[in-house]
Amino acid sequence: EAQVTQNPRYLITVTGKKLTVTCSQNMNHEYMSWYRQDPGLGLRQIYYSMNVEVTDKGDVPEGYKVSRKEKRNFPLILESPSPNQTSLYFCASSFSGGGYEQYFGPGTRLTVT
Amino acid sequence: RKEVEQDPGPFNVPEGATVAFNCTYSNSASQSFFWYRQDCRKEPKLLMSVYSSGNEDGRFTAQLNRASQYISLLIRDSKLSDSATYLCVVNPVCGATNKLIFGTGTLLAVQP
Repeated sequence: EAQVTQNPRYLITVTGKKLTVTCSQNMNHEYMSWYRQDPGLGLRQIYYSMNVEVTDKGDVPEGYKVSRKEKRNFPLILESPSPNQTSLYFCASSFSGGGYEQYFGPGTRLTVT
Repeated sequence: RKEVEQDPGPFNVPEGATVAFNCTYSNSASQSFFWYRQDCRKEPKLLMSVYSSGNEDGRFTAQLNRASQYISLLIRDSKLSDSATYLCVVNPVCGATNKLIFGTGTLLAVQP
């Protein structure tokens, strides 16, 4: 089954404790991206990757890191999480860029206390 | 002004009604337009792309008005299962195929 998976689905952590949210797709998509969704603000892009070893900032990259060492994986790293990073996070992939259908993972609900 | 704006709703309509949503975008160079559907606490899923000539998929019709910089979604014969948030999505700049701008969504509640 074609899908995007994210782990964990739910996470409660404390300020400053490094965490990684994994994202994996099995569709051989070149393009992957991370979004956060907050009430009243909609989905905002954090980082995206056009291919292996090619990443770039989206609209809200502060406090986040990403890497793309393999085509299928695109982890999101929070080196020192803060309460303002409490949000619902979605990973997405597509064949090639924003002009194509985006396939979203199920989401990760992160709470930073 | 937001790059993509939608009426947040909620739109409360009875089953069988016809309902329409509009979405405005600020960048006149925008190239690609989409409607995504998001169920409560779930991931967004593509409902339909929006083409310059307009397009229809069953009960759903999408239109693009470049002159006025808006796109619309019309749902005919609403079903209870249509209850969801509808997200307007725009690829804002020609050539920058990496970027998408999402509206905040319009909530539709279809009542029995």
